[in-house]
Amino acid sequence: NAGVTQTPKFQVLKTGQSMTLQCAQDMNHNSMYWYRQDPGMGLRLIYYSASEGTTDKGEVPNGYNVSRLNKREFSLRLESAAPSQTSVYFCASKEGAGANVLTFGAGSRLTVL
Amino acid sequence: GESVGLHLPTLSVQEGDNSIINCAYSNSASDYFIWYKQESGKGPQFIIDIRSNMDKRQGQRVTVLLNKTVKHLSLQIAATQPGDSAVYFCAAQSSGGSYIPTFGRGTSLIVHP
Repeated sequence: NAGVTQTPKFQVLKTGQSMTLQCAQDMNHNSMYWYRQDPGMGLRLIYYSASEGTTDKGEVPNGYNVSRLNKREFSLRLESAAPSQTSVYFCASKEGAGANVLTFGAGSRLTVL
Repeated sequence: GESVGLHLPTLSVQEGDNSIINCAYSNSASDYFIWYKQESGKGPQFIIDIRSNMDKRQGQRVTVLLNKTVKHLSLQIAATQPGDSAVYFCAAQSSGGSYIPTFGRGTSLIVHP
């Protein structure tokens, strides 16, 4: 049981380049989330998908887009990367929109030069 | 919106001591709280949770205390071990906020042998 799988684990981009972070979960969870983690800032929500077919902005959505491709997959796209987007990105999922626990992926470390 | 904060960014303890990590939240409507542990290079993992109709919950070597009056919760780790060294996050959720977790900034627990 793999849980939440993120790819790639590491990526270096130049300013202005685009890329997509992939996330897939095999737990049949309805809700999926993208967070970024910066030193001293904790985890900040970028976008989330409460259920298949829906997406909503979180606390820091600027510069990002998401796609809930199907129930399993939720991707995060940077259209024109900026150095301020250098961060560690975590995908997470939970059973539903109710009060329950997140399962996180291992993270994707992105550096924008 | 919800804000969640931890009182100390770093906590150093000796192996065998008890550790207490504190967290404050701002939204009095928060009704579900979770502690996560993040080891270096990994995603956060669930430790223990508590609902607002409880003021204490115990797990294996861990206890969470909730004080709704002052909007404060704490994580107590008994007989701290080197393997407990990690960053600990509290997260608050509320039904009014669609149960989207809001994270604190994290406390780094360092356990000295």
